[in-house]
Amino acid sequence: EVQLVESGGGLVQPGGSLKLSCAASGFTFSGSAMHWVRQASGKGLEWVGRIRSKANSYATAYDASMKDRFIISRDDSKNMAYLQMNSLKTEDTAVYYCTSEYGDYGGFFEYWGQGTLVTVSS
Amino acid sequence: QLVLTQSPSASASLGASVKLTCTLSSGHSSYAIAWHQQQPEKGPRYLMKLNSDGSHSKGDGIPDRFSGSSSGAERYLTISSLQSEDEADYYCQTWDTDLRVFGGGTKLTVL
Repeated sequence: EVQLVESGGGLVQPGGSLKLSCAASGFTFSGSAMHWVRQASGKGLEWVGRIRSKANSYATAYDASMKDRFIISRDDSKNMAYLQMNSLKTEDTAVYYCTSEYGDYGGFFEYWGQGTLVTVSS
Repeated sequence: QLVLTQSPSASASLGASVKLTCTLSSGHSSYAIAWHQQQPEKGPRYLMKLNSDGSHSKGDGIPDRFSGSSSGAERYLTISSLQSEDEADYYCQTWDTDLRVFGGGTKLTVL
């Protein structure tokens, strides 16, 4: 059974940092690009960014509005993906989902986690 | 600019069929998309990848009631024999080299 389990969400002050984790199992993690997608309350899905596999040099890409503050990484030995969020703003408040791509460039998201809530507030 | 457009809402009766539409922006009519379902208070679930020629491949365990089709820049998701659990938000999603894009989502109400 495929599982993606996010953790690390919580309350953080504006300007603060937070690191989210995603534990993956049940599929070939090392061969899949991993993405983060977020969803503000009552809003739609918004792509945050992705990290490709070792075969593609762990290349990262981000939504233009987040690329200077967010960093995605992975540890294939632990089947883990991470999202480091810095200089957080109130508008970053959202549920953050970890999702795996079909292969390393299938384009679409094949598996999804249940999400972790990040609240940025003073 | 790669953009996906969806109607905000749709409704249909229990047991009936409904067809949801996702429209690709100008110049992108050859792009494939994927459909995802998000039931209330849950994470999204992948339904299918849909190509420009209408061929599609569904995710694990997706019922035959869900099908996809294409016409020009339009991509469709048809759900037949609607059930109460089909009441959900439906998102289309597409991609380019370093970019992933979602449509705004369609909220489906089953009457």
